[in-house]
Amino acid sequence: DQQVKQNSPSLSVQEGRISILNCDYTNSMFDYFLWYKKYPAEGPTFLISISSIKDKNEDGRFTVFLNKSAKHLSLHIVPSQPGDSAVYFCAASGNQFYFGTGTSLTVIP
Amino acid sequence: DTGVSQNPRHKITKRGQNVTFRCDPISEHNRLYWYRQTLGQGPEFLTYFQNEAQLEKSRLLSDRFSAERPKGSFSTLEIQRTEQGDSAMYLCASSLGQGYQPQHFGDGTRLSIL
Repeated sequence: DQQVKQNSPSLSVQEGRISILNCDYTNSMFDYFLWYKKYPAEGPTFLISISSIKDKNEDGRFTVFLNKSAKHLSLHIVPSQPGDSAVYFCAASGNQFYFGTGTSLTVIP
Repeated sequence: DTGVSQNPRHKITKRGQNVTFRCDPISEHNRLYWYRQTLGQGPEFLTYFQNEAQLEKSRLLSDRFSAERPKGSFSTLEIQRTEQGDSAMYLCASSLGQGYQPQHFGDGTRLSIL
């Protein structure tokens, strides 16, 4: 039972443009959401998070939006850079952390 | 380097053998988590510790799996009588225990069962 879903396995974006990665969840009790970035042969690296009392959190080029009524969160990267090419996982926290299956982002120079 | 450290990075073993992995968390972190990740999937929760206490275990964690964190610092994950289906990346993460705190991951141990 996948409680956190990332329906786009891959995304390609031109350098300088905006990348938008999406994530849906099913459990309304989740109260903390995170995005991780993963390069091959490395563990996931924490990017940005948001608690359920907020609807937006920004850190440099990265912004996470949370829509609780739709049970949806998104990660915006602007401007996208080639070094952003990686697999991105969203995660949600209840009594444990649940991860999506990831979206592979390719930023084309 | 003060990040999460996992050893070994790779482990190849024959089916039926026992294996043990080690995780050294970030020193001030009191929570430690174990995950398993297979190709095309996100990390799947196995278990977590608050200090030395194992507080939650997933139903994925069969009787052949055992985890310890004896002094509330490093942790070990042992798999007994390994099976082909145990082949995966085993990830360890740590975090501070209070409030909304992100987990910080190690680079994992890749287990291959022959």
